[in-house]
Amino acid sequence: NAGVTQTPKFQVLKTGQSMTLQCAQDMNHNSMYWYRQDPGMGLRLIYYSASEGTTDKGEVPNGYNVSRLNKREFSLRLESAAPSQTSVYFCASSEPTTPGELFFGEGSRLTVL
Amino acid sequence: QQQVKQSPQSLIVQKGGISIINCAYENTAFDYFPWYQQFPGKGPALLIAIRPDVSEKKEGRFTISFNKSAKQFSLHIMDSQPGDSATYFCAASTGGYQKVTFGTGTKLQVIP
Repeated sequence: NAGVTQTPKFQVLKTGQSMTLQCAQDMNHNSMYWYRQDPGMGLRLIYYSASEGTTDKGEVPNGYNVSRLNKREFSLRLESAAPSQTSVYFCASSEPTTPGELFFGEGSRLTVL
Repeated sequence: QQQVKQSPQSLIVQKGGISIINCAYENTAFDYFPWYQQFPGKGPALLIAIRPDVSEKKEGRFTISFNKSAKQFSLHIMDSQPGDSATYFCAASTGGYQKVTFGTGTKLQVIP
């Protein structure tokens, strides 16, 4: 049982390049999330998807887009990467029966030069 | 606007001591207060959680104390061990879509 799987684990981009972070969960959860983690700032919500077919902005959505491909998969796209997007990105999932309990992937470390 | 404020930013405790991490929140609509533990290179994992209708919850060496009137809650780690060395995040959420708001994290180091 893999839980939440993120790819890639590491990525280096040049300013202006685009890329997509992939996330898949095998727990049949309805809700999925993308967070970014920066030193001294904790985890900040970028986008979330309460259920398949819906997505909503979180606290820091600028520069990102998301796609809830199906119930299992939730991708995060950077259309034109900027150095300010250098961060560790975490995907998470949850189920309404366990409110506030997020299951996280191991993270994707992105560096934008 | 930081809705959940966490302190201290870092903490060094001797083995066997008590580690205390404090958090304060502003939004009175929050109704669930989890704590997450994160080891280097890993994602955060739920450690313990509390609802505002109780003042304390204990699971093994980990205890959450909750003060609803002061809008504060804290994590106490009794008999701290080197294996407890990690970053701890307090968090708060409301019902509905379960958006979880995190504190800024506390890096705990337990020294032998």
